[in-house]
Amino acid sequence: DAKTTQPPSMDCAEGRAANLPCNHSTISGNEYVYWYRQIHSQGPQYIIHGLKNNETNEMASLIITEDRKSSTLILPHATLRDTAVYYCIVRVRGDQGGKLIFGQGTELSVKP
Amino acid sequence: DAGVIQSPRHEVTEMGQEVTLRCKPISGHNSLFWYRQTMMRGLELLIYFNNNVPIDDSGMPEDRFSAKMPNASFSTLKIQPSEPRDSAVYFCASFDYNEQFFGPGTRLTVL
Repeated sequence: DAKTTQPPSMDCAEGRAANLPCNHSTISGNEYVYWYRQIHSQGPQYIIHGLKNNETNEMASLIITEDRKSSTLILPHATLRDTAVYYCIVRVRGDQGGKLIFGQGTELSVKP
Repeated sequence: DAGVIQSPRHEVTEMGQEVTLRCKPISGHNSLFWYRQTMMRGLELLIYFNNNVPIDDSGMPEDRFSAKMPNASFSTLKIQPSEPRDSAVYFCASFDYNEQFFGPGTRLTVL
């Protein structure tokens, strides 16, 4: 699986958009970009995934660059409850039973 | 659906004792994963099963750790004997092809 690079921490003001970047320059053509987050003391939670097109769901938007070497997770109106560690993972969809290898992620702090 | 269920939620034991952690995956999910999380090492994959068969146990730290999945609705992770460095939060997750669903975790403290 391709390696990802994320900033260790970010701050965001409540109500503003939170834009979390991820670099995955060695991504393969059949690898998807997945985002999970982990709120303190809870298990990780799936947010969104995509291959090459931008994706949006009720939680977030995922913007993938045309060359697929980087992506940005957007939380359009961050709330205090979005304070969490956000993990960007690239992998082949459904491969190896869905196995995930977590990096260090980005610790997002949403401030009032 | 109740989601992934783990028990116990907290476990405090003494060094040398056997510890058994339990997991009930979401019905219909074919893959099950065990992870361990510590401040030092983050989230580590220990082992995963597909259709109740262990596929990759390369993350299991030592022979003191063992995991079983006797049927599609139950899995255990056993540590025998336990050591203080095993103190961590242990997560179980099951997979439905699109995403992994994690349980609430078991916080293990070995004194």
